Amino acid sequence: QVQLQESGPGLVKPSQTLSLTCTVSGGSISSGSYYWSWIRQPAGKGLEYIGRIYTSGHTNYNPSLNSRVTMSVDTSKNQFSLKLTSVTAADTAVYYCARVARGVSSYLHDHFDLWGQGTLVTVSS
Amino acid sequence: QTVVTQEPSFSVSPGETVTFTCGLSSGSVSTNYYPSWYQQTPGQAPRTLIYSTNTRSSGVPDRFSGSILGNKAALTIRGAQADDESDYYCVLYMGSGISVFGGGTKLTVL
Repeated sequence: QVQLQESGPGLVKPSQTLSLTCTVSGGSISSGSYYWSWIRQPAGKGLEYIGRIYTSGHTNYNPSLNSRVTMSVDTSKNQFSLKLTSVTAADTAVYYCARVARGVSSYLHDHFDLWGQGTLVTVSS
Repeated sequence: QTVVTQEPSFSVSPGETVTFTCGLSSGSVSTNYYPSWYQQTPGQAPRTLIYSTNTRSSGVPDRFSGSILGNKAALTIRGAQADDESDYYCVLYMGSGISVFGGGTKLTVL
């Protein structure tokens, strides 16, 4: 059974770069046709889509974060990663990684079918 | 900027049926937005309930159903139970790899 696990520093200083990794276990990140995504949730607030990456390296980013986000994938380690630059307190959130799957009768990867447990990242000096 | 709208909260008594909606600040929601729905209890990761408008994810009881009602996507819970008390999020796929979450609906079962 495929599982996702986020990892990375829980505390990042303002203006620095937030870096997180999601490890895929129980299956290959390259098997099947999936995108791999990052989603975040500030305390007490809703979910926000950050972006996604395919194993080819193709990415799509939320336009509101596009200038600060970079995602990468390492198929040899079965991992994908998120970097968010120039962080502020507003970037404090629980960060989830999730798998993006095709819908029914669709060639589009349009929904999240598997989630990591999330990791809290606090931006503070 | 596209805003996906949801009711902030709902209250329902056990055994009742409740329907949440998911709309757009501008325009109508259709199946072409491939609406999906997620359930989240406090401190937990979201759980996928419905995708492609009305397809239940594996293991989701048939009390949960998705549809298009008028110009919005909808999630219906029949026979609400105490453990349905959660936050519910819809997601619309905008194309070009962009998904947008609604603000979520907090369901209280009392």
